[in-house]
Amino acid sequence: EPEVTQTPSHQVTQMGQEVILRCVPISNHLYFYWYRQILGQKVEFLVSFYNNEISEKSEIFDDQFSVERPDGSNFTLKIRSTKLEDSAMYFCASSKGPGELFFGEGSRLTVL
Amino acid sequence: AQSVTQLDSQVPVFEEAPVELRCNYSSSVSVYLFWYVQYPNQGLQLLLKYLSGSTLVKGINGFEAEFNKSQTSFHLRKPSVHISDTAEYFCAVTSPQGGSEKLVFGKGTKLTVNP
Repeated sequence: EPEVTQTPSHQVTQMGQEVILRCVPISNHLYFYWYRQILGQKVEFLVSFYNNEISEKSEIFDDQFSVERPDGSNFTLKIRSTKLEDSAMYFCASSKGPGELFFGEGSRLTVL
Repeated sequence: AQSVTQLDSQVPVFEEAPVELRCNYSSSVSVYLFWYVQYPNQGLQLLLKYLSGSTLVKGINGFEAEFNKSQTSFHLRKPSVHISDTAEYFCAVTSPQGGSEKLVFGKGTKLTVNP
């Protein structure tokens, strides 16, 4: 069964460093998403991406965040200068259209 | 804007007992509704979904949910739970016509099944 894959599963970084989280969505899906879950809190929407551009983003997705689909298969989330409060589990998801999202296993980011 | 309320943050039950996890949503347009399950240290797995048609939907692992438009609810039920059902359960909503593809999640309900 096709699945969304994410790397790395866990990354530890120093505050102020840049981080890139990678995702390979399901191949015939058209919509791609990043969500995050701070420990013990709910899953929060960050950004959606369709037709090679951002279709929607939340207030959390400020200038330090960016997304890219560099080669038609990978979908990356870059955090330019990490802060302590960026520590969270980041989930990538993809879908064929509005509706059912398929999530990856997540990338745990720890900012020290 | 859509929102989801899961009133119960934690639900402890004994094995083989029935369970209901409550979910209410708010939306001015028609909705798609989902329940996702998150086992400890894992990602989100789709349990079941309501897109249209029958208001009673069945999912994996013996769970079912009923869409009630008048009460704006989508409660999750299982007649007899197992220890392995211990997990966090998230209700989520999106709209096919709201101009947004994103899912909005509730805060989650932590189900603990005790022997």
